[in-house]
Amino acid sequence: EVQLVESGGDLVQAGRSLRLSCTASGFMFGDYDMTWVRQAPGKGLEWVGLVRRRSAGGTTDYAASLKGRFTISRDDSKTIAYLQVNSLKTEDTAVYYCTRSRGGALDIWGQGTLVTVSS
Amino acid sequence: DIQMTQSPSTLSASVGDRVIITCRASQSISSWLAWYQQKPGKAPKLLIYKASSLESGVPSRFSGSGSGTEFTLTISSLQPDDSATYYCQQYSSYDTFGQGTKLEIK
Repeated sequence: EVQLVESGGDLVQAGRSLRLSCTASGFMFGDYDMTWVRQAPGKGLEWVGLVRRRSAGGTTDYAASLKGRFTISRDDSKTIAYLQVNSLKTEDTAVYYCTRSRGGALDIWGQGTLVTVSS
Repeated sequence: DIQMTQSPSTLSASVGDRVIITCRASQSISSWLAWYQQKPGKAPKLLIYKASSLESGVPSRFSGSGSGTEFTLTISSLQPDDSATYYCQQYSSYDTFGQGTKLEIK
């Protein structure tokens, strides 16, 4: 079964850092770009960024409004994608989804992991 | 950034109705557009990619059309299970999502 499972969400204080993990199974992880999307409570979807597959250079892109505090990486040997968030703000409170990108469309989604940032 | 604007924001329709949701891009995105369905407490589900290609396993009552800056998602005969929020997404450049359309069944 093709699956993505996020972990690492927590209640954290503003200013701290957090690393989210996304463990993939059931497909050739190294053949796909991986994307993170977040959704604040009661709000819409917000694209965070992506890490490309190695054959596409393994590079990263981020939403302009988030650039600087967010870092996406991947470990193909472990089939895990990561999202590191530094200097957390209360407005970073959201469910964070890991997704598989198939030519840009996001065809597989994890169940999401909740990050709550307190002041 | 490319801005995506969906309309309407909310929609109420009856079972069997034809429903159309529109998405407009602030600049041309060719056909690099996807549509998603999200139900409360669940992750979004891909319905349509490349503006008009139906994702495997998605009922044929869903269809997409458009190119450039104007796109539509059509549900040909609304079913009770279609109650959800629908999002468009452009993936031409630094992906962005529309603000969502909440579809309710009368």
